[in-house]
Amino acid sequence: SAVISQKPSRDICQRGTSLTIQCQVDSQVTMMFWYRQQPGQSLTLIATANQGSEATYESGFVIDKFPISRPNLTFSTLTVSNMSPEDSSIYLCSVVPQTNYGYTFGSGTRLTVV
Amino acid sequence: ELKVEQNPLFLSMQEGKNYTIYCNYSTTSDRLYWYRQDPGKSLESLFVLLSNGAVKQEGRLMASLDTKARLSTLHITAAVHDLSATYFCAVDFGNEKLTFGTGTRLTIIP
Repeated sequence: SAVISQKPSRDICQRGTSLTIQCQVDSQVTMMFWYRQQPGQSLTLIATANQGSEATYESGFVIDKFPISRPNLTFSTLTVSNMSPEDSSIYLCSVVPQTNYGYTFGSGTRLTVV
Repeated sequence: ELKVEQNPLFLSMQEGKNYTIYCNYSTTSDRLYWYRQDPGKSLESLFVLLSNGAVKQEGRLMASLDTKARLSTLHITAAVHDLSATYFCAVDFGNEKLTFGTGTRLTIIP
């Protein structure tokens, strides 16, 4: 299965600022997914990122708040913009399995907004 | 609406006991995944269930899928402390996006 390197692993940010999270995959993948996990909650899909096209956002998430880049088949970034304390969560990227493995997840970015 | 429900949400078990976590989903799918998450960590893939009647076992954990009942179970046999974690099921409803269950926070007590 694919190996994902995600960074930063954690950050503490001031409200009103932005943070960009990076995910690097060790193989080419068509689709990458970005999830948010609020404290004590399950995972919620933010958007799907395909190389060469704009990301597709789920209900409740907008591009201005969570811009995504997907410049090639091994890399993607998620930016959390104009942050507020409500954005404090774990953000995870994930890739579609090439074989019958479970979806692979990055190590996560624990974001705290103060 | 695409929904995945898990129960129980919280489970406290004594070591050595058996228990089952249930995952129900709202519409047709034959692709279901189980994950484990330790506190502060990412998700670890446990089982991939890709057809009706699929059964997978690893150590003290066994997962099964009944697509007609839209139900998956994660059975824990003779629980040990190492199994304390949060367990999630997730369903692919045909669009290659995962919809996650609410999670079951499992605590194994001596």
